[in-house]
Amino acid sequence: EVKLLESGGGLVQPGGSLRLSCVASGLNFNSYAMNWVRQAPGKGLEWVSSITGGGGATTYYSDSATGRFTISRDSSKNTLYLQMNALRVEDTAVYYCAKPSQFGFHFESWGQGVLVTVSS
Amino acid sequence: EIVMTQSPDTLSVSPGERATLSCWASQSVGSSLAWYQQKPGQAPRLIIYGASTRAAGIPAKFSGSGSGTDFTLHISSLQSEDFAVYYCQQYNNWPLTFGGGTKVEIK
Repeated sequence: EVKLLESGGGLVQPGGSLRLSCVASGLNFNSYAMNWVRQAPGKGLEWVSSITGGGGATTYYSDSATGRFTISRDSSKNTLYLQMNALRVEDTAVYYCAKPSQFGFHFESWGQGVLVTVSS
Repeated sequence: EIVMTQSPDTLSVSPGERATLSCWASQSVGSSLAWYQQKPGQAPRLIIYGASTRAAGIPAKFSGSGSGTDFTLHISSLQSEDFAVYYCQQYNNWPLTFGGGTKVEIK
């Protein structure tokens, strides 16, 4: 069974930084692309960033994340990261770590989510 | 960016009835379309991928159809556990995009 466990959320002031982590188990972590998806309070789902697997580590970002967020992975620790800098109030959301299926970038496994609150 | 539009925003359905949810893409996504179910306080759950393939463990009461720009999710004989918010997502192009969701509520 695949398990994804996020951590690192919390309250941060606008302009601040935060690093989210997602520890994965029950899968060959290095083989899969990994992803971050967020959900603002009471709103819908928004894809944030993806990183490919297999050693290539190509990264993709939403427009809102480009230039401020950095996705990375440490296969030795089965851990996915999201470094978030220059945080804005509108980045307030639950951030989910998600694993795609082998058939494409749809998400068959999700973590429980971690709340990031950006507020002064 | 491909914009995904879902309709209706809210669908009121009596238990035992059938629900039909729609999702449109602003340009063709082929069959690269997924549907998710989300209940309050929970992470989303994959229901359908490839426009019509049920994910593992999803009952046959859920069915998806469509290709290109027009997609539909059918849920037959709704039970209490089916009342939730449903999202579509395209994965044909970057950036990946979700629809705004359809809330299926008890009538």
